[in-house]
Amino acid sequence: SQQGEEDPQALSIQEGENATMNCSYKTSINNLQWYRQNSGRGLVHLILIRSNEREKHSGRLRVTLDTSKKSSSLLITASRAADTASYFCATDRTGTASKLTFGTGTRLQVTL
Amino acid sequence: ETGVTQSPTHLIKTRGQQVTLRCSSQSGHNTVSWYQQALGQGPQFIFQYYREEENGRGNFPPRFSGLQFPNYSSELNVNALELDDSALYLCASSLGQGSGNTIYFGEGSWLTVV
Repeated sequence: SQQGEEDPQALSIQEGENATMNCSYKTSINNLQWYRQNSGRGLVHLILIRSNEREKHSGRLRVTLDTSKKSSSLLITASRAADTASYFCATDRTGTASKLTFGTGTRLQVTL
Repeated sequence: ETGVTQSPTHLIKTRGQQVTLRCSSQSGHNTVSWYQQALGQGPQFIFQYYREEENGRGNFPPRFSGLQFPNYSSELNVNALELDDSALYLCASSLGQGSGNTIYFGEGSWLTVV
């Protein structure tokens, strides 16, 4: 079963705009990871944030984690057409080390 | 490039047949997990192997089985294929089974059951 849900399910923006995706989950976690998936391809790891961290940056990516609300957000700044992909959050739940539970994904379309 | 390689990339099988999918983990990674991703869905955890032993299993029937070899490569076997087994099968590797390790995925094997 899916642990969480991404919101929105689909997002369409223009190049240069920022894209924000949200993820909610249900149980206590050790950490949360964000992945990108181009159509029909494998998952590319973007960023890992631990349960005791609140914010993390990597290049144009900014991830926040609010464990009290069981939610996370991924912000992509100055988006590019190459950012077009599906984005998934995945949680590593307490007691299930390294066994990821994925959300349903957000499909991001960046147009020129 | 994650260093995780899977084969074959695509295959078509008939209902009732058996299939074996293969995965080579990133160098030095001793933990391999398999996931099933149906079209339009997020990946679902099938099982994990750590140092050749099964270390956790998701909600999949026994006809889904696996192996991990001494070099940490792995196989996923599915018997008595059903139409609903059509999906992208993803292999993931990590160093150790501890929490907080980055988990790297391969490109996947597309299985179509007809």
